Amino acid sequence: GQQVMQIPQYQHVQEGEDFTTYCNSSTTLSNIQWYKQRPGGHPVFLIQLVKSGEVKKQKRLTFQFGEAKKNSSLHITATQTTDVGTYFCASGGTSYGKLTFGQGTILTVHP
Amino acid sequence: GAVVSQHPSWVICKSGTSVKIECRSLDFQATTMFWYRQFPKQSLMLMATSNEGSKATYEQGVEKDKFLINHASLTLSTLTVTSAHPEDSSFYICSAEGFTGTSGGTDTQYFGPGTRLTVL
Repeated sequence: GQQVMQIPQYQHVQEGEDFTTYCNSSTTLSNIQWYKQRPGGHPVFLIQLVKSGEVKKQKRLTFQFGEAKKNSSLHITATQTTDVGTYFCASGGTSYGKLTFGQGTILTVHP
Repeated sequence: GAVVSQHPSWVICKSGTSVKIECRSLDFQATTMFWYRQFPKQSLMLMATSNEGSKATYEQGVEKDKFLINHASLTLSTLTVTSAHPEDSSFYICSAEGFTGTSGGTDTQYFGPGTRLTVL
């Protein structure tokens, strides 16, 4: 599997502040996926990036895949209390081998 | 679309008993299903990969005789925790992968809601 390291482990922000979580690998990744897991819930697929330098947006969420395909980031603009949860990056999948998850970033948003 | 159900959502059992967890893809055929285990505030750890009609592939360190996986059809996989002990208490999550026609494509895994197992 493709190993990915995710930082930070925890992030506390005030509502309205921005938030970013980073995913890094020592090797070139075939792809990167991002998931969100609400407290007590299960991971929900957000997006997949496969191209070098790819940037995708979903409303206030911006996902980037590095030029070298060794890192990725998820940025949330103007956080809301509904953004609370754990954000996981993952790499792999049947076409690329097993899916390996990063450690996750637990986001807390204070109103 | 792309809904995966899991049953039961939670279970409490006595030490030494066996517990079966079902994972179903409701609106698509899952070529592959995965079983994960998650401890509080930790990441998902892949336990095994299961393909319909064949034996599951277990990750290193996962006891295949303790965690029995059966993938009877393209929409159903079961995980049986045999002779459960308190250290088996965890959140077990299945996921299914298959072509759903959605933007994720064939490499997207759709997760079930999870089963919280507590062994007394």
